[in-house]
Amino acid sequence: QQQVKQSPQSLIVQKGGISIINCAYENTAFDYFPWYQQFPGKGPALLIAIRPDVSEKKEGRFTISFNKSAKQFSLHIMDSQPGDSATYFCAAYFNTNAGKSTFGDGTTLTVKP
Amino acid sequence: DAGVIQSPRHEVTEMGQEVTLRCKPISGHDYLFWYRQTMMRGLELLIYFNNNVPIDDSGMPEDRFSAKMPNASFSTLKIQPSEPRDSAVYFCASTLRGSTGELFFGEGSRLTVL
Repeated sequence: QQQVKQSPQSLIVQKGGISIINCAYENTAFDYFPWYQQFPGKGPALLIAIRPDVSEKKEGRFTISFNKSAKQFSLHIMDSQPGDSATYFCAAYFNTNAGKSTFGDGTTLTVKP
Repeated sequence: DAGVIQSPRHEVTEMGQEVTLRCKPISGHDYLFWYRQTMMRGLELLIYFNNNVPIDDSGMPEDRFSAKMPNASFSTLKIQPSEPRDSAVYFCASTLRGSTGELFFGEGSRLTVL
């Protein structure tokens, strides 16, 4: 049973556009929702994270929107740049414990110049 | 500070051979994780350790896989005998209890079993 469903699988955006990636979770016991960014040949790296008591968190051009009632959260990349081209993973943890985590399947973002 | 260090970065072997992947976590981190990444199954948690003790190995696919952490600065993931379906990128990650939960990943070991 997949606990975190991520969409779309791939996304192509023009430079300067907005990239939106969505995740839905099932278990309301999850209490930490990070997004990881992975470039080819590299390991994933934490991009931004949110807890369920906050509806939005912004760091630079990256924003997480969190809808607790709908059990959904999304990543918005404003003014997308070619350097943002990467694979993005959402994840959900129990008790901020990465050992009790589940990852989405990933979204490959391509930003065209 | 050095990040998580994995070796080898690439390994090509033949079916039936033993494969050993190595990981050095970030100094001071007390959790270590082994993940496997494939196109079909995404990022899968295989096993994780806390203070060198295996906590949950329910993600280990079968008995051919084993992992050890003899001390706080070294871990191995061993596959014996290897099979073509084991071909994947294997990541090691570490984190610190009480932190934000951020996982620090190594650059991965790409395994190809012919």
